[in-house]
Amino acid sequence: DVVMTQSPLSLPVTLGQPASISCRSSQSLVHSDGNTYLNWFQQRPGQSPRRLIYKVSNRDSGVPDRFSGSGSGTDFTLEISRVEAEDVGIYYCMQATHWPRTFGQGTRVEIK
Amino acid sequence: EVQVLESGGGLVQPGGFLRLSCAASGFTFSSYAMSWARQAPGKGLEWVSTIGPGGGSTYYADSVKGRFTISRDNSKNTLYLQMNSLRVEDTAVYYCARTANFDSWGQGTLVTVSS
Repeated sequence: DVVMTQSPLSLPVTLGQPASISCRSSQSLVHSDGNTYLNWFQQRPGQSPRRLIYKVSNRDSGVPDRFSGSGSGTDFTLEISRVEAEDVGIYYCMQATHWPRTFGQGTRVEIK
Repeated sequence: EVQVLESGGGLVQPGGFLRLSCAASGFTFSSYAMSWARQAPGKGLEWVSTIGPGGGSTYYADSVKGRFTISRDNSKNTLYLQMNSLRVEDTAVYYCARTANFDSWGQGTLVTVSS
């Protein structure tokens, strides 16, 4: 199985400051069709997860442009350009290239 | 608007069974793969199972293979998860989601396996 490793696991941030979460996979996420199926999800306290980013860098509809994804191969990053109070929650990466699908452990973002 | 709504959770004894349902609306259900994921209390997300648009292809996590069965009724726009031989470690909130990329999630239904 592909192991997804996120860091840090806890990220205290100051409002208005940037934040960055790393996600590394144990093998390449490049699919045979040429796409890289790496997704990012946000789970606010008490809510269901919500997809933010798909195929590494594509924002889902309604996702603020302060969220961006980047990376390739086995190394990926989610960045928040200026953290707002509503961004508090747990962020997960997930690979959808290989079976079984696997999630990272989650990164808890909190306000300092 | 894409909506998926889970139901069928509850308290069940170890070794028991339960069937979860997921009612879909706002999209052409028969054109999309559908998935289940779960989240144990205070833990992270775990993929459980995915089924292709026509129901012919199914995939399972090793932790549930042989005990859980995913199915769908495209005439009713409904996804199912039949869960047999339930274990204490299956206790979790179960989420239904559209596609194998989880682009839209439901609110979840809690399954508690306890004696």
